[in-house]
Amino acid sequence: NAGVTQTPKFRVLKTGQSMTLLCAQDMNHEYMYWYRQDPGMGLRLIHYSVGEGTTAKGEVPDGYNVSRLKKQNFLLGLESAAPSQTSVYFCASSNTDRERGYEQYFGPGTRLTVT
Amino acid sequence: LAKTTQPISMDSYEGQEVNITCSHNNIATNDYITWYQQFPSQGPRFIIQGYKTKVTNEVASLFIPADRKSSTLSLPRVSLSDTAVYYCLVSGTYKYIFGTGTRLKVLA
Repeated sequence: NAGVTQTPKFRVLKTGQSMTLLCAQDMNHEYMYWYRQDPGMGLRLIHYSVGEGTTAKGEVPDGYNVSRLKKQNFLLGLESAAPSQTSVYFCASSNTDRERGYEQYFGPGTRLTVT
Repeated sequence: LAKTTQPISMDSYEGQEVNITCSHNNIATNDYITWYQQFPSQGPRFIIQGYKTKVTNEVASLFIPADRKSSTLSLPRVSLSDTAVYYCLVSGTYKYIFGTGTRLKVLA
């Protein structure tokens, strides 16, 4: 049982390049989340998904797109990377949320640098 | 936009009880409060969750006053391995607001 895994662990992009971050979970969780973590700002929600085929915007969605084609996978895309997107990205999953903060399981993170 | 604030850092000695407070003035009726622990280069890890009054598990207690505008994570008898960053999370209907984190340093 691997829990939540993220690919890649590190990436350096040039401004304007695109990339996709992959998150996978093997706990059969319904909910999945993408956060970014910047120094002094904690974790901020980018997008989340409440089930296969559904996605929703979080607090800081601009510049990102997501897809949840399979229940176990949640993809985060950057179409045209900007230096402001330099951050550590965390994926998380949880069982049914029902308006509560049910325990979220986090992946190890992806460190992205945009030059 | 709702804000969740925490002290930036705290120091403690081994064996002491540590209390970390989170302020969430705009908490909604259905929101829950959850605390996470994060070590360097790792994702956050669940500690405890509550809605009101007091919740206790094998590693921590969570105190929430009646007005729910704040919450306090209590770690009994901390050890060096408790040195980490602690985050509170206020979550509800389509809302997930993390605090900015409290860096706890436990000294020998």
